Amino acid sequence: DTGVSQDPRHKITKRGQNVTFRCDPISEHNRLYWYRQTLGQGPEFLTYFQNEAQLEKSRLLSDRFSAERPKGSFSTLEIQRTEQGDSAMYLCASSFPGTGSTDTQYFGPGTRLTVL
Amino acid sequence: QQPVQSPQAVILREGEDAVINCSSSKALYSVHWYRQKHGEAPVFLMILLKGGEQKGHEKISASFNEKKQQSSLYLTASQLSYSGTYFCGTEVRMDSSYKLIFGSGTRLLVRP
Repeated sequence: DTGVSQDPRHKITKRGQNVTFRCDPISEHNRLYWYRQTLGQGPEFLTYFQNEAQLEKSRLLSDRFSAERPKGSFSTLEIQRTEQGDSAMYLCASSFPGTGSTDTQYFGPGTRLTVL
Repeated sequence: QQPVQSPQAVILREGEDAVINCSSSKALYSVHWYRQKHGEAPVFLMILLKGGEQKGHEKISASFNEKKQQSSLYLTASQLSYSGTYFCGTEVRMDSSYKLIFGSGTRLLVRP
Protein backbone atom coordinates (compact mmCIF):
# COMPACT_ATOMS: atom_id res chain seq x y z
CA ASP A 1 0.00 0.00 0.00
CA THR A 2 1.54 3.28 -1.08
CA GLY A 3 -1.00 5.61 0.50
CA VAL A 4 -0.80 7.75 3.62
CA SER A 5 -0.67 5.62 6.74
CA GLN A 6 -1.45 6.55 10.33
CA ASP A 7 -0.82 4.80 13.60
CA PRO A 8 -2.58 3.94 15.81
CA ARG A 9 -6.01 3.78 14.19
CA HIS A 10 -7.75 4.03 17.54
CA LYS A 11 -6.63 5.42 20.87
CA ILE A 12 -8.55 5.50 24.12
CA THR A 13 -7.02 7.47 26.94
CA LYS A 14 -7.95 8.99 30.26
CA ARG A 15 -8.22 12.73 30.72
CA GLY A 16 -4.87 14.23 31.61
CA GLN A 17 -2.75 11.65 29.81
CA ASN A 18 -0.43 12.43 26.90
CA VAL A 19 -0.90 10.79 23.51
CA THR A 20 1.18 10.71 20.34
CA PHE A 21 0.07 9.87 16.82
CA ARG A 22 2.21 9.07 13.82
CA CYS A 23 1.69 9.80 10.13
CA ASP A 24 3.70 8.37 7.24
CA PRO A 25 3.05 10.34 4.06
CA ILE A 26 3.17 9.04 0.54
CA SER A 27 6.77 8.57 -0.43
CA GLU A 28 8.34 11.73 -1.88
CA HIS A 29 5.45 13.94 -0.80
CA ASN A 30 7.19 16.87 0.83
CA ARG A 31 4.02 18.57 2.06
CA LEU A 32 2.23 17.18 5.10
CA TYR A 33 -0.94 18.42 6.80
CA TRP A 34 -2.81 17.58 9.99
CA TYR A 35 -6.57 18.01 10.26
CA ARG A 36 -9.07 17.25 13.00
CA GLN A 37 -12.57 15.95 12.31
CA THR A 38 -15.44 15.76 14.78
CA LEU A 39 -18.66 13.85 14.25
CA GLY A 40 -20.82 15.28 11.50
CA GLN A 41 -18.28 17.90 10.45
CA GLY A 42 -15.69 18.27 7.75
CA PRO A 43 -11.99 18.15 8.58
CA GLU A 44 -10.51 21.28 10.20
CA PHE A 45 -6.96 22.35 9.42
CA LEU A 46 -4.45 22.13 12.28
CA THR A 47 -0.95 22.50 10.88
CA TYR A 48 1.24 22.17 7.78
CA PHE A 49 4.83 21.08 7.11
CA GLN A 50 6.96 21.54 4.05
CA ASN A 51 9.78 19.08 4.44
CA GLU A 52 10.82 19.42 8.09
CA ALA A 53 9.65 23.01 8.51
CA GLN A 54 6.35 23.71 10.23
CA LEU A 55 5.06 26.67 8.23
CA GLU A 56 1.52 27.15 9.43
CA LYS A 57 -0.41 26.51 12.63
CA SER A 58 -4.10 26.99 13.25
CA ARG A 59 -5.42 28.82 16.28
CA LEU A 60 -7.13 25.49 17.03
CA LEU A 61 -3.70 24.15 17.92
CA SER A 62 -3.40 25.07 21.58
CA ASP A 63 -0.19 24.96 23.62
CA ARG A 64 -1.00 21.38 24.55
CA PHE A 65 -0.56 20.31 20.93
CA SER A 66 2.80 19.91 19.25
CA ALA A 67 3.72 18.48 15.90
CA GLU A 68 7.07 17.51 14.45
CA ARG A 69 8.41 16.21 11.20
CA PRO A 70 12.06 15.29 11.74
CA LYS A 71 14.05 14.82 8.54
CA GLY A 72 11.01 15.68 6.47
CA SER A 73 9.60 12.17 6.42
CA PHE A 74 7.06 10.92 8.96
CA SER A 75 5.31 13.30 11.34
CA THR A 76 4.07 13.03 14.91
CA LEU A 77 1.28 14.90 16.63
CA GLU A 78 1.39 14.97 20.42
CA ILE A 79 -1.40 16.09 22.71
CA GLN A 80 -0.43 16.75 26.32
CA ARG A 81 -2.87 16.68 29.25
CA THR A 82 -5.72 15.47 27.07
CA GLU A 83 -9.21 16.84 27.63
CA GLN A 84 -12.56 15.35 26.66
CA GLY A 85 -12.91 18.03 23.99
CA ASP A 86 -9.87 16.57 22.23
CA SER A 87 -11.92 13.51 21.29
CA ALA A 88 -11.99 13.49 17.49
CA MET A 89 -10.57 11.87 14.38
CA TYR A 90 -7.09 13.19 13.59
CA LEU A 91 -6.37 13.03 9.89
CA CYS A 92 -3.08 13.40 8.10
CA ALA A 93 -2.73 14.34 4.44
CA SER A 94 0.21 14.73 2.10
CA SER A 95 0.81 16.30 -1.26
CA PHE A 96 3.51 16.97 -3.81
CA PRO A 97 3.66 20.24 -5.70
CA GLY A 98 2.80 19.62 -9.32
CA THR A 99 3.23 21.77 -12.36
CA GLY A 100 -0.21 23.33 -12.08
CA SER A 101 -1.46 26.01 -9.75
CA THR A 102 -2.49 23.59 -7.01
CA ASP A 103 -1.84 20.05 -5.90
CA THR A 104 -3.96 17.27 -4.46
CA GLN A 105 -4.00 16.42 -0.78
CA TYR A 106 -4.29 12.69 -0.13
CA PHE A 107 -5.65 11.70 3.25
CA GLY A 108 -4.75 8.86 5.56
CA PRO A 109 -7.32 6.72 7.40
CA GLY A 110 -7.03 8.78 10.58
CA THR A 111 -6.52 8.12 14.27
CA ARG A 112 -9.71 8.13 16.30
CA LEU A 113 -9.03 9.52 19.79
CA THR A 114 -11.44 8.98 22.65
CA VAL A 115 -10.71 10.78 25.91
CA LEU A 116 -12.58 9.36 28.89
CA GLN B 1 -15.17 31.14 6.38
CA GLN B 2 -16.60 27.65 6.05
CA PRO B 3 -18.33 26.90 2.71
CA VAL B 4 -21.98 25.97 2.84
CA GLN B 5 -23.09 22.68 1.33
CA SER B 6 -26.59 21.72 0.25
CA PRO B 7 -28.49 19.56 0.63
CA GLN B 8 -27.38 18.19 3.98
CA ALA B 9 -28.57 14.72 3.04
CA VAL B 10 -30.08 12.93 0.07
CA ILE B 11 -31.44 9.45 -0.54
CA LEU B 12 -31.46 8.01 -4.03
CA ARG B 13 -32.45 4.83 -5.79
CA GLU B 14 -29.70 3.20 -7.79
CA GLY B 15 -29.51 4.82 -11.21
CA GLU B 16 -30.90 8.20 -10.14
CA ASP B 17 -28.99 11.48 -10.37
CA ALA B 18 -28.00 13.94 -7.68
CA VAL B 19 -26.48 17.40 -7.47
CA ILE B 20 -24.49 18.63 -4.46
CA ASN B 21 -23.83 22.33 -4.11
CA CYS B 22 -21.06 24.24 -2.38
CA SER B 23 -21.03 27.99 -1.94
CA SER B 24 -18.62 30.39 -0.33
CA SER B 25 -18.82 33.98 0.87
CA LYS B 26 -15.20 34.50 -0.18
CA ALA B 27 -13.53 34.52 -3.57
CA LEU B 28 -12.43 31.03 -4.54
CA TYR B 29 -9.09 29.95 -5.99
CA SER B 30 -10.24 26.40 -6.37
CA VAL B 31 -12.71 23.86 -5.02
CA HIS B 32 -11.72 20.34 -3.99
CA TRP B 33 -14.27 17.54 -3.68
CA TYR B 34 -13.85 14.46 -1.48
CA ARG B 35 -16.00 11.47 -0.57
CA GLN B 36 -15.72 9.83 2.82
CA LYS B 37 -17.23 6.52 3.83
CA HIS B 38 -17.85 5.80 7.49
CA GLY B 39 -14.61 5.15 9.36
CA GLU B 40 -12.45 5.70 6.28
CA ALA B 41 -10.22 8.41 4.87
CA PRO B 42 -11.66 11.16 2.67
CA VAL B 43 -10.99 10.11 -0.92
CA PHE B 44 -10.10 12.73 -3.52
CA LEU B 45 -12.63 13.13 -6.33
CA MET B 46 -11.95 16.35 -8.18
CA ILE B 47 -10.32 19.75 -8.21
CA LEU B 48 -11.88 22.67 -10.03
CA LEU B 49 -9.64 25.62 -10.69
CA LYS B 50 -10.13 29.21 -11.71
CA GLY B 51 -10.07 29.43 -15.46
CA GLY B 52 -11.98 26.21 -15.98
CA GLU B 53 -9.28 23.60 -15.47
CA GLN B 54 -10.47 20.37 -13.86
CA LYS B 55 -8.61 17.39 -12.51
CA GLY B 56 -10.26 14.27 -11.22
CA HIS B 57 -12.57 11.35 -11.56
CA GLU B 58 -13.80 10.40 -15.03
CA LYS B 59 -17.31 9.36 -13.98
CA ILE B 60 -18.04 12.40 -11.83
CA SER B 61 -18.51 15.88 -13.19
CA ALA B 62 -18.58 19.23 -11.54
CA SER B 63 -18.91 22.88 -12.31
CA PHE B 64 -17.27 25.96 -10.84
CA ASN B 65 -18.87 29.39 -11.10
CA GLU B 66 -16.19 31.84 -10.00
CA LYS B 67 -18.47 34.86 -10.09
CA LYS B 68 -21.09 33.26 -7.89
CA GLN B 69 -18.40 31.59 -5.76
CA GLN B 70 -20.17 28.29 -6.14
CA SER B 71 -19.40 24.75 -7.22
CA SER B 72 -21.71 21.85 -7.94
CA LEU B 73 -20.93 18.12 -8.05
CA TYR B 74 -23.02 16.04 -10.44
CA LEU B 75 -23.53 12.36 -9.71
CA THR B 76 -25.26 10.65 -12.61
CA ALA B 77 -26.65 7.12 -12.80
CA SER B 78 -25.75 6.62 -9.16
CA GLN B 79 -24.33 3.33 -7.97
CA LEU B 80 -24.44 1.76 -4.51
CA SER B 81 -20.75 2.59 -4.15
CA TYR B 82 -21.52 6.32 -4.36
CA SER B 83 -22.94 6.23 -0.83
CA GLY B 84 -20.96 8.28 1.64
CA THR B 85 -20.46 11.85 2.79
CA TYR B 86 -19.30 14.37 0.21
CA PHE B 87 -17.22 17.32 1.28
CA CYS B 88 -16.20 20.37 -0.66
CA GLY B 89 -13.04 22.12 0.39
CA THR B 90 -12.17 25.67 -0.55
CA GLU B 91 -8.56 26.62 -0.91
CA VAL B 92 -6.96 29.22 1.35
CA ARG B 93 -3.43 30.14 0.34
CA MET B 94 -0.53 29.86 2.76
CA ASP B 95 3.16 30.50 2.24
CA SER B 96 4.24 27.88 -0.34
CA SER B 97 1.02 25.84 -0.17
CA TYR B 98 -2.63 25.99 0.80
CA LYS B 99 -5.03 24.66 3.41
CA LEU B 100 -8.52 23.42 2.78
CA ILE B 101 -11.56 24.77 4.57
CA PHE B 102 -14.24 22.09 4.39
CA GLY B 103 -18.00 22.32 4.46
CA SER B 104 -19.96 20.19 6.89
CA GLY B 105 -20.73 17.60 4.23
CA THR B 106 -23.63 16.11 2.28
CA ARG B 107 -24.67 12.60 3.23
CA LEU B 108 -25.66 10.52 0.23
CA LEU B 109 -27.35 7.14 0.52
CA VAL B 110 -27.97 5.09 -2.62
CA ARG B 111 -30.46 2.28 -2.19
CA PRO B 112 -31.00 -0.72 -4.50
